[in-house]
Amino acid sequence: QLQLQESGPGLVRPSETLSLTCTVSGGSISSSSYYWGWIRQPPGKGLEWIGNVFHTGSTYYNPSLKSRVTVSVDTPKKQVSLRLNSVTAADTAVYYCARRYYYGSGIIGGFDYWGQGTLVTVSS
Amino acid sequence: SYELTQPPSVSVSPGQTARITCFGDILPKQYAYWYQQKPGQAPLLIIYKDIQRPSGIPERFSGSSSGTTATLTISGVQAEDEADYYCQSADNSGLYPMFGGGTNLTVL
Repeated sequence: QLQLQESGPGLVRPSETLSLTCTVSGGSISSSSYYWGWIRQPPGKGLEWIGNVFHTGSTYYNPSLKSRVTVSVDTPKKQVSLRLNSVTAADTAVYYCARRYYYGSGIIGGFDYWGQGTLVTVSS
Repeated sequence: SYELTQPPSVSVSPGQTARITCFGDILPKQYAYWYQQKPGQAPLLIIYKDIQRPSGIPERFSGSSSGTTATLTISGVQAEDEADYYCQSADNSGLYPMFGGGTNLTVL
């Protein structure tokens, strides 16, 4: 059974960089059938997509966050990473790692596996 | 950029049918996906490609899509179905997903 586990600091100072890692177990990270992504959810609010990475390293980011975000994949370690620069209190959220299925023929599907999420608080 | 619009809340009595709508101009071109999220848990994919149900999802959950509106239908609602529900689609390329604002389903 595929499992995704997020890890990283739970507290980040304003203006610093948020760094999280998602470790994938029980399945392949390098298959051409999957994209790997990050989604966040501020307390009491809805879901916001942050970015996706393909096993080739190709990345796609939410335009509203693009200037501050880097998502990368380390296939030997089976890890997906997120870096978000210059954080503010508005970046306080539960951050989820998730797999997005690629059906082929240009059809990229929904997020079918999710990590449990990790709360990151931005505060001094 | 495209947006998906959901009603903030829907209320139904146990055993009745709940319908949650998702409106978006991209929906005639891209599939809709639906997620259920209970408090303190990660979202769970319950409908994919408008109408498909992943294995393990009860048959009372169904999806449909017509024009600019996708609909999640829960037939014979149970107390355990009380949760937030999110629709999701993507832009024309499919590479940039977006979520609706979410609908809180209350079982009276």
